[in-house]
Amino acid sequence: GENVEQHPSTLSVQEGDSAVIKCTYSDSASNYFPWYKQELGKRPQLIIDIRSNVGEKKDQRIAVTLNKTAKHFSLHITETQPEDSAVYFCAASIGNSGYSTLTFGKGTMLLVSP
Amino acid sequence: DTGVSQDPRHKITKRGQNVTFRCDPISEHNRLYWYRQTLGQGPEFLTYFQNEAQLEKSRLLSDRFSAERPKGSFSTLEIQRTEQGDSAMYLCASSLSSGGRNEQFFGPGTRLTVL
Repeated sequence: GENVEQHPSTLSVQEGDSAVIKCTYSDSASNYFPWYKQELGKRPQLIIDIRSNVGEKKDQRIAVTLNKTAKHFSLHITETQPEDSAVYFCAASIGNSGYSTLTFGKGTMLLVSP
Repeated sequence: DTGVSQDPRHKITKRGQNVTFRCDPISEHNRLYWYRQTLGQGPEFLTYFQNEAQLEKSRLLSDRFSAERPKGSFSTLEIQRTEQGDSAMYLCASSLSSGGRNEQFFGPGTRLTVL
């Protein structure tokens, strides 16, 4: 089955700095890669996703890049703010006309210091 | 609130007891997923429904676990003869199958503590 590795496990940055979280996946058939943000005690919330026919996607301060050949994808957060502090999870799935379950990484705890 | 809801939010039980959790997905969503999340880990897939059909079960789902979605709307997850290792957050998610996308919306979870 699919295996997703995520690094780093913790990341501390100063407000205004950029943060980068990296994930690798094992199944070359995976074609959908979402990123979830989970604040303490709350549900995971989708912040951005990318499909394998696209190499990069951006939404304001958040961007995701995908390298299908190397089977890795990354989350980039620019101009970090204290409210960006949370645990971030990457995931991968094989989206097709059937079903598509998500395999998650272990998460990255991002701490943004004011 | 039109999001995914779960009940109860917290459950404390003694080892050996049975527990049942409920998930109400977003109303038009035809896909429903159960995940388990332990401290410091990402959600781990347990099982998946498309409408009322249970299409996949993870190896994590032992024979003590059973899930149903009888009318293709809400779902229940039952754990029989609970063990301390079952202590975790049980998350439900739902999605709408459309164009191959799989944007899953999560509920707040049910935190299970087995004493």
